[in-house]
Amino acid sequence: QITLKESGPTLVQPTQTLTLTCTFSGFSLSTTGVGVGWIRQPPGGALEFLALLYWSDDNRYSPSLRRRLTVTRDTSKSQVVLTMTNMGPVDTATYHCAHYWSGYYSPGRGNDAFDIWGRGTMVTVSS
Amino acid sequence: DIQMTQSPSSLSASVGDRVTITCRASQTIYTYLSWYQQKPGKAPNLLIYTVSTLQSGVPSRFTGSGSGTDFTLTISSLQPEDSATYYCQQSYSASITFGPGTRLEIK
Repeated sequence: QITLKESGPTLVQPTQTLTLTCTFSGFSLSTTGVGVGWIRQPPGGALEFLALLYWSDDNRYSPSLRRRLTVTRDTSKSQVVLTMTNMGPVDTATYHCAHYWSGYYSPGRGNDAFDIWGRGTMVTVSS
Repeated sequence: DIQMTQSPSSLSASVGDRVTITCRASQTIYTYLSWYQQKPGKAPNLLIYTVSTLQSGVPSRFTGSGSGTDFTLTISSLQPEDSATYYCQQSYSASITFGPGTRLEIK
């Protein structure tokens, strides 16, 4: 059974850096085609893709947020870490991590979708 | 970026109705199109991937179709538990994008 859980601060000061951790189980980030993505959702708003880290350490970022984002992994702990710099009030949102499996790299197995999501963690940016 | 649009932005329908939600991409995304259902306070739930493949455990009343830039999600016989917001998502481009969502209400 695949599970993911986000953790990190609930309140961040403007201009600070946000660090969120996604701890997962039930799959390996060493499996070809597998990735862990980050998606956020402001209160009452739509889903917004942030970043995706692949098994190969390749990544995909939102172009509009690319300069502020970094996604890395700690293989020994089955964790993926998202860092977002220069936080502002507009970054207030629920941040989700999710399992992704590329059908391009794993034909017949991957689905090119976020098939399992964490419950999310709410982050408020305020002084 | 590939922009995703959805229509309608919201709709209200009765139990048993056939409901269709449309998603359009700003350029071709081939079959890299997924649909999600999200209920208030919950994480999104994958319904359909690669345009028309039903995710395991999803009721067969949900179907997806389309190609290129135009896609649809159809609920053949609306049930009370289908009240939710529905999002399409493309994963063709390097930057994944979601549609703005369609809020579905049960009359």
